[in-house]
Amino acid sequence: SQQGEEDPQALSIQEGENATMNCSYKTSINNLQWYRQNSGRGLVHLILIRSNEREKHSGRLRVTLDTSKKSSSLLITASRAADTASYFCATAAPGAGSYQLTFGKGTKLSVIP
Amino acid sequence: EAGVAQSPRYKIIEKRQSVAFWCNPISGHATLYWYQQILGQGPKLLIQFQNNGVVDDSQLPKDRFSAERLKGVDSTLKIQPAKLEDSAVYLCASRVGGWETQYFGPGTRLLVL
Repeated sequence: SQQGEEDPQALSIQEGENATMNCSYKTSINNLQWYRQNSGRGLVHLILIRSNEREKHSGRLRVTLDTSKKSSSLLITASRAADTASYFCATAAPGAGSYQLTFGKGTKLSVIP
Repeated sequence: EAGVAQSPRYKIIEKRQSVAFWCNPISGHATLYWYQQILGQGPKLLIQFQNNGVVDDSQLPKDRFSAERLKGVDSTLKIQPAKLEDSAVYLCASRVGGWETQYFGPGTRLLVL
């Protein structure tokens, strides 16, 4: 079963705009990760945020985590056409399950040049 | 550093035929995962190996799917006999001990006719 649910399912923006994707999950987590998947390719790890963290940055990426609401958001600032891809959140359970990921259905982002 | 290698990249078979996928993880990565990604969904874990032992195969349809990692390096995933609903991308990922990030291969796209 899929733990995370991304919202929106699809997002279309102009180059230079910011893109925000949300992820909600149901059970306790050790960490939450965001991955990107370009069409026809494997997934690429973007960023990991642990359950005791509230915000992390990596380049143009900003991730927030609200464990009380069981939700996370991924913000991509100053988007580029190359950011066009599907974005997935993945959760890792506490304890021994922290090395297994449960993925959501993803958000398909289109950045229009 | 070479990434996770998978072959073949594409495979078309008829239902009831058998098929095998191969994965070579990143050197030194003891943990290897196989995922199934159906179109429009996120990856779903099928099986997790730690070296040449199975950690979790609870979501592997064992009546038709099998996987092995004999020498703790390469792995093969087999489907026999294939069904129409097995059409999906099969992703292999690996992880180094102590780190939660998974590194994905490009996947094998399977079409069952």
